[in-house]
Amino acid sequence: DGGITQSPKYLFRKEGQNVTLSCEQNLNHDAMYWYRQDPGQGLRLIYYSQIVNDFQKGDIAEGYSVSREKKESFPLTVTSAQKNPTAFYLCASSSFGDTQYFGPGTRLTVL
Amino acid sequence: AQSVTQLDSQVPVFEEAPVELRCNYSSSVSVYLFWYVQYPNQGLQLLLKYLSGSTLVESINGFEAEFNKSQTSFHLRKPSVHISDTAEYFCAVRSSTNAGKSTFGDGTTLTVKP
Repeated sequence: DGGITQSPKYLFRKEGQNVTLSCEQNLNHDAMYWYRQDPGQGLRLIYYSQIVNDFQKGDIAEGYSVSREKKESFPLTVTSAQKNPTAFYLCASSSFGDTQYFGPGTRLTVL
Repeated sequence: AQSVTQLDSQVPVFEEAPVELRCNYSSSVSVYLFWYVQYPNQGLQLLLKYLSGSTLVESINGFEAEFNKSQTSFHLRKPSVHISDTAEYFCAVRSSTNAGKSTFGDGTTLTVKP
């Protein structure tokens, strides 16, 4: 079954901790994306990557970091520098220029 | 720069009534347009998209949207809604020249009442 997976589904973080959200796809897509969703708001782009070993900042990259060592994987680290990290995080992938396919999301809560 | 405005944050409607969810966009270049649906605590699913060609696009579950370049709109319509259509709907725009930069509207919550 082709698709995009995110883990964990729920994540709790203490203040001052870094946490890493996993995103894996087996759709053979070149491009991958991370979005943040807050209640009553649309999706805001954090980072995106169009090829392996290359990625670009989106609109709200501060306090986040990513890597793209493999085509299938695009993990997102939420660092302690992110002042308000509680949100729903969505990963997506696409063939270049085509429709984005979304994972089921990770809900991050800071305790 | 590009932007998307979904004109209604909430749309309540009775079952079997028609519905229109409005989306306007602005962009200095040509764009691709998308509607996505999101059910609670899930990711987004593509409903329909406009890339080129016919300005009227349809989904398999009865939704349709019409690209209107002069009015910079991409409104979503369904002639008769079901309870199961209750969800949040997002309009998105992507530049035809930069595949990495999609911009999403704030979403419209469609609530279908019996």
